[in-house]
Order: sequence, then C-alpha cells, then structure tokens
Amino acid sequence: EPEVTQTPSHQVTQMGQEVILRCVPISNHLYFYWYRQILGQKVEFLVSFYNNEISEKSEIFDDQFSVERPDGSNFTLKIRSTKLEDSAMYFCASSETSGRPSYEQYFGPGTRLTVT
Amino acid sequence: GDSVTQMEGPVTLSEEAFLTINCTYTATGYPSLFWYVQYPGEGLQLLLKATKADDKGSNKGFEATYRKETTSFHLEKGSVQVSDSAVYFCALGLYNNNDMRFGAGTRLTVKP
Repeated sequence: EPEVTQTPSHQVTQMGQEVILRCVPISNHLYFYWYRQILGQKVEFLVSFYNNEISEKSEIFDDQFSVERPDGSNFTLKIRSTKLEDSAMYFCASSETSGRPSYEQYFGPGTRLTVT
Repeated sequence: GDSVTQMEGPVTLSEEAFLTINCTYTATGYPSLFWYVQYPGEGLQLLLKATKADDKGSNKGFEATYRKETTSFHLEKGSVQVSDSAVYFCALGLYNNNDMRFGAGTRLTVKP
C-alpha cells in the first residue's frame, strides 16, 4: 500500500541552525501538508501546498518557515533559524484531492526535531 | 472557530473492557470527522471516518457515529485489547479548508 515517507526520523540541531525536513508524499497525490506536534500536545496545522504554492498557512508558519517541492517527488519544510520551541514532531501528509467532504489525508511517520 | 474537543485522558482499562472516548466538534460548515490513532513511536494512522450526519465509521472493532444533533463523534469499542494501547485523536476536515483540526488526543492504556 502506498505510504508517505519522511526523513530523517530524528534530527538534532543547535539553536540558530537551519534544518530541512524531507517528505515523499504518495505519488498520485496533489495536496501536501505539514503539521507539528509538540510533546504531549495536540497536532497543529502548519501549511498546505498545492500546484507549487502555499494554499493555506497557520499563524505558526511565520517567516522562519518555508516549504518547497524541489522535484516531482519530494516535499520539504525548512526552518531557517531554529529556536528551542521548534522542538516537536513534524508530520507530513498528502491527499489526493481537497475541498470535498470525504477527502482524507495520509500521514507520514514523522520527524522528531530536537533543538538544543 | 472550527474545533474539536475530546475527552482528555489518560484512560486505563482492563482487557475486554468497553471503551468510549468522547469527541464533540464546532464547525460553521459540514465537516467530515475522523479518528486517528498513534501507536508508540509511530505516526498518525487513520482509524475511521464519517463524512455526513448519521454515518457510522468502523474499523478493527472500533465504531463512531456522526451525530449532528449533538455535534459528537464518540469512539467506542466493545472489548479492548492490550494492542489497542495508543493515543487517539479526533479530527475534523472542512469542505472549504485544507487543514484538519485535531483534538488534544486521549492516551489509552489497556492492561492484561
């Protein structure tokens, strides 16, 4: 069964460094998403991406964050200058379509980002 | 705004006990409703879903019915197993939005 994959599974970085989290969505999906989950808290939406541009973003997704689809398969989340509070599990998701009642997002296993 | 409120845990049950995890929602439109499960060390997996009022989603012995009159989507299972130990998230998706809104999650521990 097709699945969303994410690399790395765990990333440790120092405060102020740039990190890039990578995702490979399901191949025929058109919509891509990033969510984060701070330890012990709820899953929060960051951004959605369609047709090579951001379609929606939350208040969390400030200028420190950017997303890109550099080729036909990868979808990346970049954090320009990491802060301690960026430590979280980051989930990538993809969906075949959006904007209809039964759409379903498929989630990857997550990347645990630890900022020290 | 559109949101989901679910029963906070942790919930601890003995094997074969009956499980209910409450979930209520607030939405301006007509959402689809989902339950996701997160096993230890893993990502989110879709457990079941319902797309309109009175729909019942079911999977692996779990069920939830979309109740528009009470704006609820409670998760139930008649007889839990140790392998059901996980965190369960209620979520809603809106027709005109791309993001999903998640509840805070409920940690379930089933003891033998």
